[in-house]
Amino acid sequence: GDSVTQMEGPVTLSEEAFLTINCTYTATGYPSLFWYVQYPGEGLQLLLKATKADDKGSNKGFEATYRKETTSFHLEKGSVQVSDSAVYFCALSDGGSQGNLIFGKGTKLSVKP
Amino acid sequence: NAGVMQNPRHLVRRRGQEARLRCSPMKGHSHVYWYRQLPEEGLKFMVYLQKENIIDESGMPKERFSAEFPKEGPSILRIQQVVRGDSAAYFCASSSRQGRLDTQYFGPGTRLTVL
Repeated sequence: GDSVTQMEGPVTLSEEAFLTINCTYTATGYPSLFWYVQYPGEGLQLLLKATKADDKGSNKGFEATYRKETTSFHLEKGSVQVSDSAVYFCALSDGGSQGNLIFGKGTKLSVKP
Repeated sequence: NAGVMQNPRHLVRRRGQEARLRCSPMKGHSHVYWYRQLPEEGLKFMVYLQKENIIDESGMPKERFSAEFPKEGPSILRIQQVVRGDSAAYFCASSSRQGRLDTQYFGPGTRLTVL
């Protein structure tokens, strides 16, 4: 079945460092890909998405490119801030008509001042 | 436009009691999804509903769990005779259309603790 694998955390960075969180997927068909962010004690917020190969999603300085050839959707940010500390989830739609999301296990990011 | 609302935010139940979790989708959304997040895990799909219909319940445990989305009112996830293993965060999401192209918007979740 479809699945998402993302790098395990926790990831600890200093402020203004470069961030990469790896995400690869296995899917039949043509899934849409998402990054969600979860701040402590809160629900998930959509960070960015891409619906077809070579699409680049971007938001708040974060970017991810849908790479069909490597089945990847890595999240990047050039300069992280303390306020970016959160858990980041990579997800895909199941490719069927229902649109159920399949999530990775999440990567906890801590940014130190 | 209010976001997805869930209540209660925190729920404590003793083993054997019933837990009832509510979800009001965003205005104009008629598709509701429920997910469960176990500690240190990602979210797992449970059930997908439209008004008055269960479309996909492939992620629901076979016993004790049920869900509904009536014509009027919020969607309800009901857990009967709760056990400690039911302790988790339960998230509801809504979308305006079904399918992979539409975005699901999540509520803040209900954190269930079973004593």
